[in-house]
Amino acid sequence: DQQVKQNSPSLSVQEGRISILNCDYTNSMFDYFLWYKKYPAEGPTFLISISSIKDKNEDGRFTVFLNKSAKHLSLHIVPSQPGDSAVYFCAAVLNDYKLSFGAGTTVTVRA
Amino acid sequence: DTGVSQDPRHKITKRGQNVTFRCDPISEHNRLYWYRQTLGQGPEFLTYFQNEAQLEKSRLLSDRFSAERPKGSFSTLEIQRTEQGDSAMYLCASSLQWDLEAFFGQGTRLTVV
Repeated sequence: DQQVKQNSPSLSVQEGRISILNCDYTNSMFDYFLWYKKYPAEGPTFLISISSIKDKNEDGRFTVFLNKSAKHLSLHIVPSQPGDSAVYFCAAVLNDYKLSFGAGTTVTVRA
Repeated sequence: DTGVSQDPRHKITKRGQNVTFRCDPISEHNRLYWYRQTLGQGPEFLTYFQNEAQLEKSRLLSDRFSAERPKGSFSTLEIQRTEQGDSAMYLCASSLQWDLEAFFGQGTRLTVV
């Protein structure tokens, strides 16, 4: 039962433009959300997070938006850089420790 | 390097053999997690330790799987009588008790032939 869904398996964007990654969830008990970035042959690395009491969190080029009523969050990367080419996972926290991950979106930034 | 360390990075084994993986978490982290990732999917939760206590096991973790964290530091994940369906990347992560951000190791890629 996939409780976190990333419906776009891939995204191609030109360098300097905005990348928008989307994530939907079904479990209203999730109260914290994270985005992880993964390069080939490496483990996921934490990127940015947001609590369910907020609707936006910003960290440099990365901004996460949360729409609780729609059970939807998005990650905006602006401007996109070649080093941003990676797989991005959306994850939701249950019971204060368990992460439920989406299937990931592969981002390719074109020069 | 003070990150999460996993050993081995790669393991190829014949069906029916037993395998054991090791995870060394970040030293001050009292929570440790095991996840499994298959091709095209995100990591799936397997089990979780707080200090040496194993507090939850996923139903994905069949009786052939066992995990330990004997002294609340490193952890081992053993798979007995491996099957081809066990082929996956096994990821270990750790965190502080009050921190929801988990730090992941590079994973152990298991191939069962």
